[in-house]
Amino acid sequence: DAGVTQSPTHLIKTRGQQVTLRCSPKSGHDTVSWYQQALGQGPQFIFQYYEEEERQRGNFPDRFSGHQFPNYSSELNVNALLLGDSALYLCASSLVVGEQYFGPGTRLTVT
Amino acid sequence: KQEVTQIPAALSVPEGENLVLNCSFTDSAIYNLQWFRQDPGKGLTSLLLIQSSQREQTSGRLNASLDKSSGRSTLYIAASQPGDSATYLCAVISSGGSNYKLTFGKGTLLTMNP
Repeated sequence: DAGVTQSPTHLIKTRGQQVTLRCSPKSGHDTVSWYQQALGQGPQFIFQYYEEEERQRGNFPDRFSGHQFPNYSSELNVNALLLGDSALYLCASSLVVGEQYFGPGTRLTVT
Repeated sequence: KQEVTQIPAALSVPEGENLVLNCSFTDSAIYNLQWFRQDPGKGLTSLLLIQSSQREQTSGRLNASLDKSSGRSTLYIAASQPGDSATYLCAVISSGGSNYKLTFGKGTLLTMNP
């Protein structure tokens, strides 16, 4: 049984560009959450998708947007990249409000 | 607003010792609490999940306790091993309203000394 997968593993972008990160949830899970983790910090909640709708959003600007597909996979899009967007982006899947399982993350570097 | 604090921020101990990592949260109205392990540059591995109605959970050498009324959780690691070196994160889901997110502490960096 495959766990949570994320792609790509690493990404380098230039300020002002746009990026799309992808996540496939653990088999049987219907809920996907995205988190941003800066170096030395705990992960910060970006948003959560359930039934293809954004169910909850953290304190992130509108430059951060997402989508969930009918197969429960999800994308995180970030527009107009800033240097401060450099971080590890983590995807987690769960059943409704159950135990959350995390993927390996995507390391985004903005230069 | 829920806040999670983990003490100590870093810990260096000899192998074989029994360890205690602490986590505190400001709002006792939680749905569950989860402990994670994170290796450098990697994702999070779930170690233990404690539902709000539970007092503790055990998995192998790990035991986590939860005291909701005092807003505290403790992760106990028995007979520590070199492979236990990692950052340990505590996170809660607050109950009430339409809240489904995990709120994390900053973690405790554990380094095992040979």
